[in-house]
Amino acid sequence: DIQMTQSPASLSASLEEIVTITCKASQGIDDYLSWYQQKPGKSPQLLIYDATSLADGVPSRFSGSRSGTQYSLKISRPQVDDSGIYYCLQSYSTFTFGSGTKLEIK
Amino acid sequence: EVQLQQSGAELVRPGTSVKLSCKVSGDTITAYYMHFVKQRPGQGLEWIGRIDPEDDSTKYAEKFKNKATLTADTSSNTAYLKLSSLTSEDTATYFCTTSGYPGVMDAWGQGASVTVSS
Repeated sequence: DIQMTQSPASLSASLEEIVTITCKASQGIDDYLSWYQQKPGKSPQLLIYDATSLADGVPSRFSGSRSGTQYSLKISRPQVDDSGIYYCLQSYSTFTFGSGTKLEIK
Repeated sequence: EVQLQQSGAELVRPGTSVKLSCKVSGDTITAYYMHFVKQRPGQGLEWIGRIDPEDDSTKYAEKFKNKATLTADTSSNTAYLKLSSLTSEDTATYFCTTSGYPGVMDAWGQGASVTVSS
């Protein structure tokens, strides 16, 4: 099974910072990687798919990238509304979620 | 825009089964793979499995192979998740999601809470 190691587990950032969340795959996953945001009491929402493609309606301050088997979600100039929990998901071989990153924007 | 409406909260006894529904509106269910995802209280997301309503083919995560059964009814545009031999470990919120693009969970239901308690 493919493991997804997500970090950090939590972070706090200000409105002026650049936020980066990473997921490292235990093997190559050919960019079958998507990112989701979940707010308390709500269902997850798709942000990024195919590692770098922005989902419809998602603000351009969100972006995705890859370096080797490490995938990153970047939020440039985050808004308070971006607070929540972020998950990566690999779909190369069955499906595996990362453990989640709790983000607080101050 | 596709929308998913899940059935309501369930309180069930240990050792019994529960069947959750997920009704698709705005499109035909056969246009999508339907996935189900588990989230225990305060925990992360866990993929259970998926069904292709076009041919009823299924795939499950290894740990759910003897726990979950996915079915679909194209006449009502509804997918179902049945959980059997329930224990406290099954207490969770269960989400259904569509995958209209390979490997991507692009629309989500609101979640269905299952509480297993005597």
